Amino acid sequence: QSALTQPASVSGSPGQSITISCTGTSSDVGSYNLVSWYQQHPGKAPKLMIYEVSKRPSGVSNRFSGSKSGNTASLTISGLQAEDEADYYCCSYAGSSTHVVFGGGTKLTVL
Amino acid sequence: QVQLQQWGAGLLKPSETLSLTCAVYGGSFSGYYWSWIRQPPGKGLEWIGEINHSGSTNYNPSLKSRVTISVDTSKNQFSLKLSSVTAADTAVYYCARCITIFGVVIMESWFDPWGQGTLVTVSS
Repeated sequence: QSALTQPASVSGSPGQSITISCTGTSSDVGSYNLVSWYQQHPGKAPKLMIYEVSKRPSGVSNRFSGSKSGNTASLTISGLQAEDEADYYCCSYAGSSTHVVFGGGTKLTVL
Repeated sequence: QVQLQQWGAGLLKPSETLSLTCAVYGGSFSGYYWSWIRQPPGKGLEWIGEINHSGSTNYNPSLKSRVTISVDTSKNQFSLKLSSVTAADTAVYYCARCITIFGVVIMESWFDPWGQGTLVTVSS
């Protein structure tokens, strides 16, 4: 069982927007603005999409955005495209003992 | 542009020691923490641990008793050893650069870039 809770799957049609939630606790997501999101296509290494809750690395489409409220972080993808179909993982700093926790992953299907 | 290339044995028997190495090309080796992360088949990601250029390490508490991460700054490489492996350790293992925030303690912020991954299978 992963430390952060994500829905197992979400889906949307091309052009639509979807949001993936990532629920943690006051010991991780709720206490630090150190949430990151990763996109993983089958057989590939994860790719950083969002860091520090809402910052986008250079080269990542502005269709990807992140936010946080309390113990829950969210990744929103607008204007869905077929290439967005992938698994998405959230990650958070979790204090000086545990350090890092990941979510269980969400499979995004573009219908 | 920083690139990570990793290698190591892909098939182990139970009780053996997993050994992987990751080389860093094209960027600074110092000033960062370098991590190992694994992904069992069909499952999510699990942080294993990290090391910096000075050899300071942090480990996942659930794996700490079996994990050793070491560094070779002369080659810009870092390595993972996981002892007494079982079938539960079967996974794709990734190396990654960790961007940290320095305060009273170091705080891991994000991972980028990642190595290509190495599938390690534990089977008798």
